[in-house]
Amino acid sequence: KAGVTQTPRYLIKTRGQQVTLSCSPISGHRSVSWYQQTPGQGLQFLFEYFSETQRNKGNFPGRFSGRQFSNSRSEMNVSTLELGDSALYLCASFIDNEQFFGPGTRLTVL
Amino acid sequence: AQSVTQLDSQVPVFEEAPVELRCNYSSSVSVYLFWYVQYPNQGLQLLLKYLSGSTLVKGINGFEAEFNKSQTSFHLRKPSVHISDTAEYFCAVSPTYGNKLVFGAGTILRVKS
Repeated sequence: KAGVTQTPRYLIKTRGQQVTLSCSPISGHRSVSWYQQTPGQGLQFLFEYFSETQRNKGNFPGRFSGRQFSNSRSEMNVSTLELGDSALYLCASFIDNEQFFGPGTRLTVL
Repeated sequence: AQSVTQLDSQVPVFEEAPVELRCNYSSSVSVYLFWYVQYPNQGLQLLLKYLSGSTLVKGINGFEAEFNKSQTSFHLRKPSVHISDTAEYFCAVSPTYGNKLVFGAGTILRVKS
């Protein structure tokens, strides 16, 4: 079975732009979660989607949003990028009390 | 709410020596416990998890952890480390009713020859 895939792997944007990141979960997994990893704040939960519905949300501003499609693929969007949004964004698909993480998208905001 | 404290930010150790990475957690509800490893420029890989049952959990790559409910700890151990174990290790908890992971700050394990 293929693992969790994330695209793109690397991204460079400038302040004020918006960005969309994509995540394809393991086949058959219906839950997808997103995490932000930074040197200062560590790993923080952004949100979780299950069957196209947001089931849980972390403490991030409204500039961070996501969605899930009927095939369980998920996207997250960050609008009006700030320098502090530079981070590794990790996606995970969940089944049987275990989360399987993708390799992440490294976003750099200049 | 849950919180996780990893007591050491870095642990240097010589190859073939034993190692223990310490993790304490706080939660007002029942939780599941996890250890993940992250190699440079990669995502997180699950080493082991505690859901219920035996408090001694064995994972991949020779790692094991012991759940101690009274001390709210979940320390990770390996009897003999290899250079290839050099990585960052994260302890995490999630409530038993959901799958939102709360992570500790991470411990960098540096194995020296």
